Amino acid sequence: DAGVTQSPTHLIKTRGQQVTLRCSPISGHKSVSWYQQVLGQGPQFIFQYYEKEERGRGNFPDRFSARQFPNYSSELNVNALLLGDSALYLCASSRTSGEGDTQYFGPGTRLTVL
Amino acid sequence: QKEVEQNSGPLSVPEGAIASLNCTYSDRGSQSFFWYRQYSGKSPELIMSIYSNGDKEDGRFTAQLNKASQYVSLLIRDSQPSDSATYLCAVKSNFGNEKLTFGTGTRLTIIP
Repeated sequence: DAGVTQSPTHLIKTRGQQVTLRCSPISGHKSVSWYQQVLGQGPQFIFQYYEKEERGRGNFPDRFSARQFPNYSSELNVNALLLGDSALYLCASSRTSGEGDTQYFGPGTRLTVL
Repeated sequence: QKEVEQNSGPLSVPEGAIASLNCTYSDRGSQSFFWYRQYSGKSPELIMSIYSNGDKEDGRFTAQLNKASQYVSLLIRDSQPSDSATYLCAVKSNFGNEKLTFGTGTRLTIIP
């Protein structure tokens, strides 16, 4: 079975631009979560979506938004990019949204903001 | 106080020895605990999950959980050079929400 897929793999943008990152979960998984990982740190939770509804939001500004589609794939949008948004953006999927469920990560999108 | 704390290392262990990785967490309501392995430039890969106090073994890996002490550990027996990576401890607190809170990771180097 295919794992979590993300696109694009790498992305270079300039300050002030907007970016859209995409994620397809493992087949049968209905929950998608997004994380940001800056160099030398652990991933930081941005959003979780389950059955197209937002279930959780981390401490990120309103420039960050996301949505989930009927096929459970998801997009993360970041507006007005700042240099500090440069990071590895990780998508994780899980079968449900609840205690004991395990998240599996995709390969990530490396975003560089110049 | 950080929510999830790990010794950042680097931790160096001879090949064939036992590597011991530790993690403490601050939220007593935490229910689920995970260890992920992350190679440089790659995404985190699940190694172990543990939900109840005690030990859980999977091959060369053993996870240990002590909720009273708010402590999770990962033991790697017969360490191999391929085990050299950063190990991330992750904690999930709220039922119905998938938020994982990660530590900063411990960088492990296995010396041949």
